Amino acid sequence: AQSVTQPDIHITVSEGASLELRCNYSYGATPYLFWYVQSPGQGLQLLLKYFSGDTLVQGIKGFEAEFKRSQSSFNLRKPSVHWSDAAEYFCAGLFSGGYNKLIFGAGTRLAVHP
Amino acid sequence: DTGVSQDPRHKITKRGQNVTFRCDPISEHNRLYWYRQTLGQGPEFLTYFQNEAQLEKSRLLSDRFSAERPKGSFSTLEIQRTEQGDSAMYLCASSLEGGQYEQYFGPGTRLTVT
Repeated sequence: AQSVTQPDIHITVSEGASLELRCNYSYGATPYLFWYVQSPGQGLQLLLKYFSGDTLVQGIKGFEAEFKRSQSSFNLRKPSVHWSDAAEYFCAGLFSGGYNKLIFGAGTRLAVHP
Repeated sequence: DTGVSQDPRHKITKRGQNVTFRCDPISEHNRLYWYRQTLGQGPEFLTYFQNEAQLEKSRLLSDRFSAERPKGSFSTLEIQRTEQGDSAMYLCASSLEGGQYEQYFGPGTRLTVT
């Protein structure tokens, strides 16, 4: 079955520290992969996407993600976190068979300590 | 580009009442999606339209739910005889066929059924 897993429900980091949020997918082929961010009461904002090619992709707000086929992972990183990055982060995949419906992980809530 | 808009942003209704939500996609986008997000979970796919045709529906979309996109522009999602379990955030997204599959989300409609 197609699935996306985010192993960490909550993560707390200090402002200025580096960040890595984990995402794994389960599927035979490589899906299209996305990271979205959701601030309280808001919709989802697309941070970055991976379709093919270079496995390190750059996104908005200083985020990047690395696709690793051998680990079925697509982890999100940021070298230095700002207090405004506190939000919920969702990894999602589009799987073959139509590429129509995003399958989301359960999300990781990020808290940033001053 | 004004983004995806949804109306209303919040809806409180009593169990058994009918509710209708509206979504206006990004103007040039011909694909439109509905998702439901419950507390602490990632969004789950409900249905999607290509132009005015509803091409896929999730098993989550019971017969109390109906979605339309009559002219291939805005869409409505109606829930009949609401139940407390329908309380959730209802998210709309749109994308451009032939694009890179990015789905852009609206701010959502939060439904509370009392």
